[in-house]
Amino acid sequence: NAGVTQTPKFQVLKTGQSMTLQCAQDMNHNSMYWYRQDPGMGLRLIYYSASEGTTDKGEVPNGYNVSRLNKREFSLRLESAAPSQTSVYFCASSSELRTSGANVLTFGAGSRLTVL
Amino acid sequence: DAKTTQPNSMESNEEEPVHLPCNHSTISGTDYIHWYRQLPSQGPEYVIHGLTSNVNNRMASLAIAEDRKSSTLILHRATLRDAAVYYCILRPGGTSYGKLTFGQGTILTVHP
Repeated sequence: NAGVTQTPKFQVLKTGQSMTLQCAQDMNHNSMYWYRQDPGMGLRLIYYSASEGTTDKGEVPNGYNVSRLNKREFSLRLESAAPSQTSVYFCASSSELRTSGANVLTFGAGSRLTVL
Repeated sequence: DAKTTQPNSMESNEEEPVHLPCNHSTISGTDYIHWYRQLPSQGPEYVIHGLTSNVNNRMASLAIAEDRKSSTLILHRATLRDAAVYYCILRPGGTSYGKLTFGQGTILTVHP
């Protein structure tokens, strides 16, 4: 089972360049999320999409945009990359049944981004 | 949002039980207690979750205090593959989609 697939796995950018991180899930989940993880720290939520067609800001949305292309795909775009955006990015998805507190997140393997 | 407190690190020997504690004194009545772990260079993976009662699955057990202000993740027989960062997280009920707050977690070291 593929689960959550992220591309690319590694990327090096120069300051000011743009790029899009792609995420796709094959579990028919309604909700998808983008997190970032900096060295020695926990994960911080950037954006999430509760369902197809909706997106909302998380804890650290500045400098990012997202698109929920369809139920399967949720992309994260950096319009003008900055060194502070050097991080490991994780995409996740969950089914979000009615009792949402019980829902489990499935994470991708991560995309390591370096901005010089 | 309610927060959790975990020890920064713990150590165990292989094949011994491991008890990973978590304090969540401000937990609300509808918060679920979730545990995830992150192996080196991988994304977090779900371990177990519970609301009020103790829970068991193939990976671990979750013991929840009667007042729900603390919980303990129990690995019955640690293996080298269990070396990871373990995160204790409160997941609100209702419609607080995806707003999981990951702290720094507990780094578990397993010695052969």
